[in-house]
Amino acid sequence: EAGVAQSPRYKIIEKRQSVAFWCNPISGHATLYWYQQILGQGPKLLIQFQNNGVVDDSQLPKDRFSAERLKGVDSTLKIQPAKLEDSAVYLCASSFNSPLAGGRNEQFFGPGTRLTVL
Amino acid sequence: GEDVEQSLFLSVREGDSSVINCTYTDSSSTYLYWYKQEPGAGLQLLTYIFSNMDMKQDQRLTVLLNKKDKHLSLRIADTQTGDSAIYFCAEPPGEGGYNKLIFGAGTRLAVHP
Repeated sequence: EAGVAQSPRYKIIEKRQSVAFWCNPISGHATLYWYQQILGQGPKLLIQFQNNGVVDDSQLPKDRFSAERLKGVDSTLKIQPAKLEDSAVYLCASSFNSPLAGGRNEQFFGPGTRLTVL
Repeated sequence: GEDVEQSLFLSVREGDSSVINCTYTDSSSTYLYWYKQEPGAGLQLLTYIFSNMDMKQDQRLTVLLNKKDKHLSLRIADTQTGDSAIYFCAEPPGEGGYNKLIFGAGTRLAVHP
C-alpha cells in the first residue's frame, strides 16, 4: 500500500513569511498527526485529528500555526508568520486505530518536510 | 509530566550486539514502542511491547521491559551497517490522554567495520 505522502520535502523561507505543508495519509486511516522535530530531538506532537475533527492541539502555537483536515483525508499545516525557531522537520503520521488511549498505536510516518527559516 | 530519556549516541562494531536504553516516567503505559529513523526519512515502527510482558523477541531484536525501574531496552544482535540510524523510544501519555505518543530524543547508532 502507498505510504504517507508529504510535500514539499524542503522549504527555505525568510522570517515573517508564511509557509504551508501538505500531507496525504494512508488510505483508510482516520487518525492523522502533525509533529515538529527539531534537530537533535524527538518528534513533538503539534496536533492530532480524528477524521476531520481536532482531538488534541494542546501543543500547537495557535498564534502562528494552524492546521486543517477538511474532508477527513488530506491535511495542511500552516505557519504565519514564521520565526527562526520554527526551523525543523515537520512530520505527518497516520494510524488506523481508535483515538482513545490504551490501544496499540502504530503510527505510519511520512518522510517529512525540512523547513529552514532564515 | 511525561518524560522519556535515552542516551544520545552508541557506537558498535559490525557483528557485535547493540543495546539501546530508555527510561520513562508514566507507569500506566500499556504499550511501549521502538521506532527507527534513517537519514532523511520519517520514523518507522520497529517493534513494541505490551506492559504485561517483560521480554519480546523478534528475529535479531530483543526488547526487555523492567516496569519496576521504568526501564526499556532494545538489543540488536549481529548489528549490521544497515542498522545505522536513530532509534526512538516512545510511550503513551498518562491516563485520560488520546492515543498519542511521547518520544525520547533518540539514540544515534553508528556501526563501524
